[in-house]
Amino acid sequence: DIVMTQSPLSLPVTPGEPASISCRSSQSLLYSNGYNYLDWYVQKPGQSPQLLIYMGSYRAPGVPDRFSGSGSGTDFTLKISRVEAEDVGVYYCMQDLKAETFGQGTKVEIK
Amino acid sequence: QVQLVQSGAEVKKPGASVKVSCKASGYTFSDYNMHWVRQAPGQGLEWMGWISPNNGATKYAQKSQGRVTMTRDTSINTVYMEVGSLRFDDTAFYFCTRKYCSGGLCSFDYWGQGTLITVSS
Repeated sequence: DIVMTQSPLSLPVTPGEPASISCRSSQSLLYSNGYNYLDWYVQKPGQSPQLLIYMGSYRAPGVPDRFSGSGSGTDFTLKISRVEAEDVGVYYCMQDLKAETFGQGTKVEIK
Repeated sequence: QVQLVQSGAEVKKPGASVKVSCKASGYTFSDYNMHWVRQAPGQGLEWMGWISPNNGATKYAQKSQGRVTMTRDTSINTVYMEVGSLRFDDTAFYFCTRKYCSGGLCSFDYWGQGTLITVSS
């Protein structure tokens, strides 16, 4: 199985400030078609997960442009340019190159 | 609009089976595979497998093989996920989620509301 490792696991943030989450995979997620099979999801308190970023860097419809995804191969980053109070939740990276696996999750909370 | 509506919470005894349903609407049911993801209380997300509503083909996570069965009923646009020989550590929220793919780009774009299965003696 491909192992996904996120850091940090807990991220206290100040509204208006930037935030960044790292995700590393045990194997390259870059496929021969040029796409990275890495998605980002957020699970807000009491809710189902929801899609933020797919294929490494494509923002899902309706997702604010303060969210961005970058990286390739085995190293990926989710960035929030200016955190808002509504961004609290647990953020997961997930690979779907081979039998989907999720990272452990990063809990984002307001300081 | 796309909706995935799951069946309600259940409490089961160890060794029993449970079948969770996920009814899809707002799109052509057979066009996209349906996946299942579970989440133990306070824990992370665990992928369980998928089913093709088109032909019933399935693929299970290694951990799910042997105890998990996914089926579908195309007449009512519903997929099912059954877990047998329940154990205490099967207590979790179970989510169905649609795998949308277009031009090689794929994602879990819609999720059900989750079904809590509690295994308790």
